[in-house]
Amino acid sequence: GDSVTQMEGPVTLSEEAFLTINCTYTATGYPSLFWYVQYPGEGLQLLLKATKADDKGSNKGFEATYRKETTSFHLEKGSVQVSDSAVYFCALRESSGAGSYQLTFGKGTKLSVIP
Amino acid sequence: DTAVSQTPKYLVTQMGNDKSIKCEQNLGHDTMYWYKQDSKKFLKIMFSYNNKELIINETVPNRFSPKSPDKAHLNLHINSLELGDSAVYFCASSQDFKTEAFFGQGTRLTVV
Repeated sequence: GDSVTQMEGPVTLSEEAFLTINCTYTATGYPSLFWYVQYPGEGLQLLLKATKADDKGSNKGFEATYRKETTSFHLEKGSVQVSDSAVYFCALRESSGAGSYQLTFGKGTKLSVIP
Repeated sequence: DTAVSQTPKYLVTQMGNDKSIKCEQNLGHDTMYWYKQDSKKFLKIMFSYNNKELIINETVPNRFSPKSPDKAHLNLHINSLELGDSAVYFCASSQDFKTEAFFGQGTRLTVV
């Protein structure tokens, strides 16, 4: 079945540091890929998405590129802020078939940014 | 206006009780979901509901049942609550099965 593997957290960075959170996936078809963010005490918010190979999703300074050859969708940001402290989830949705009704999530990576 | 809203935000109840969590979306979406987030933040799909088509994750106990009075609502009813049901439950919606999902704020259920 489909699966998403994220780097283990927690990740602690100083403000203005470069961020990479690795995400790889296993899927039978050609999934759409997503990054969601969960701020403390809140629900999940869509951060960015990519629906086909080589697409780059971007939002709020975050970027991720859909790499079919490496089945990866790593999240990056050039300069993190304290307000970026949250849990980040990588997710996929199959494009068709039985798996297309659900988002499959990774286990989440907690990011803490210190001043 | 909140796009996907859940009530209550917190729910504390005793083992054996029956409880419901309500969810409403004002996005005009056709598909709604319930997810469970455990203490380790792992998210797992419980139900998907689209135009009266219900897809159930086979691992969900039949004590859990979704109820949809109309397209904008998908409530979660839980019978005979157990300690292991304690978690955060998220409602979500999407335009269809292919687009991104929008999540509610979550309901933290604590069974004592």
